[in-house]
Amino acid sequence: DAKTTQPNSMESNEEEPVHLPCNHSTISGTDYIHWYRQLPSQGPEYVIHGLTSNVNNRMASLAIAEDRKSSTLILHRATLRDAAVYYCILREGDNAGNMLTFGGGTRLMVKP
Amino acid sequence: DGGITQSPKYLFRKEGQNVTLSCEQNLNHDAMYWYRQDPGQGLRLIYYSQIVNDFQKGDIAEGYSVSREKKESFPLTVTSAQKNPTAFYLCASSLAGRINEQYFGPGTRLTVT
Repeated sequence: DAKTTQPNSMESNEEEPVHLPCNHSTISGTDYIHWYRQLPSQGPEYVIHGLTSNVNNRMASLAIAEDRKSSTLILHRATLRDAAVYYCILREGDNAGNMLTFGGGTRLMVKP
Repeated sequence: DGGITQSPKYLFRKEGQNVTLSCEQNLNHDAMYWYRQDPGQGLRLIYYSQIVNDFQKGDIAEGYSVSREKKESFPLTVTSAQKNPTAFYLCASSLAGRINEQYFGPGTRLTVT
């Protein structure tokens, strides 16, 4: 199974950009990179996903390295409501069941 | 409003009792999932169902059972055979297919003493 590696925790100041890294050196050619986040005592919520090209949506941007062995989730202006655990997940190429395999994630702390 | 509901939010049971957690969705999703989360850990898959009357075991199915009699509902029973049932239980649903996002419910926090 392709795995991801993320820092355990990161800190950011409010209204500054945040770059959350994820390494996935064993990624296969058909694996999509997904990001979810989980606010305290809530279920996870989808943030963004991509395959090869960089992606933008209203929540964040996803920058994918050219060799696809790493990616970075970018929050352009962190707010206190962005404090959460962020999970980088690979959707396996033969994962017909659509399951998500969660690692430990990165706990983002946002300081006012 | 469309979404996933789980009830109750908090549940307390005595050891040795079976308990059933509710999960309902009105998103018209074919696939539904149950995850377990322990403090400070990521989610682990218990069971999933891609279609009515069919379901598969996830990574930690022992001590749990499910049913999928209706598209909207996917209840999870935590049996007395589950050795460490105290945890945060999350239900999710999605459209069929490998890259569709999963929508999660608010979770049920189960405490067994």
